[in-house]
Amino acid sequence: GAGVSQSPRYKVAKRGQDVALRCDPISGHVSLFWYQQALGQGPEFLTYFQNEAQLDKSGLPSDRFFAERPEGSVSTLKIQRTQQEDSAVYLCASSLGRALFFGPGTRLTVL
Amino acid sequence: LAKTTQPISMDSYEGQEVNITCSHNNIATNDYITWYQQFPSQGPRFIIQGYKTKVTNEVASLFIPADRKSSTLSLPRVSLSDTAVYYCLVGDINSGYSTLTFGKGTMLLVSP
Repeated sequence: GAGVSQSPRYKVAKRGQDVALRCDPISGHVSLFWYQQALGQGPEFLTYFQNEAQLDKSGLPSDRFFAERPEGSVSTLKIQRTQQEDSAVYLCASSLGRALFFGPGTRLTVL
Repeated sequence: LAKTTQPISMDSYEGQEVNITCSHNNIATNDYITWYQQFPSQGPRFIIQGYKTKVTNEVASLFIPADRKSSTLSLPRVSLSDTAVYYCLVGDINSGYSTLTFGKGTMLLVSP
C-alpha cells in the first residue's frame, strides 16, 4: 500500500524566499505530524494535527513557520523569509494509533 | 534533562545478536517505549513498541524490566542492511505528541 509521500524531495531556496512543503499522509490516518531533522541529530517535533485541527504547534521555531491541513488530509508546511538556520530535512508522519509512519522527508537548503 | 539515554554508537558483525539499551529513569506510568530505525535519506521506521515485560515481532524483541527504567532492543542475527540509526522514544500520546522526543539515537554499524 501507499505510504506517506512528501514533495518536493529536495528544495534549494535563497535566503528570504518563501517555501511550501507538501505531505500526503496514509489514507485514513487521522493524525499528522511535522518534524525537523538537522544533520546528525534526531527528528525534533514541530506540530501535530488531528484531522484538520492543529492541536499542538509548540515546536514551531518562529512565527515564520506555518502549517495547515484544511481538509484533514494533505498538509503543507510553509516557511516564510527563509534563513540559513532553516536548512534541514523536514519529515512528515501520519498515525492511526501509537506508531508513527514517516515519509522520506524534504531536504531544504537555504543559501 | 534528557528523557532517554542511549549509546552514541555500536559495532557488530554479520550474524551476531545486537542489544541496544536505552535508559529512561523518569518514565511515567502511562508512557510507552517505542523504537524506530532510520536509514540515510529516509524517514524513521517503526520497529517495535512495548509497555512492560517482553514484546517480540518478526524483526526484533523488546525487553523491559519490572521497574521500566530501561529497555533493551534485541536484533537477532544482524546483517549489513541493519546498519542504521536506532532511536528509543518514551512517552504517552495522550499527553501530547510533543512529549515524544527522539534524541540522537544509536548508530549501529554492522561489518562483514
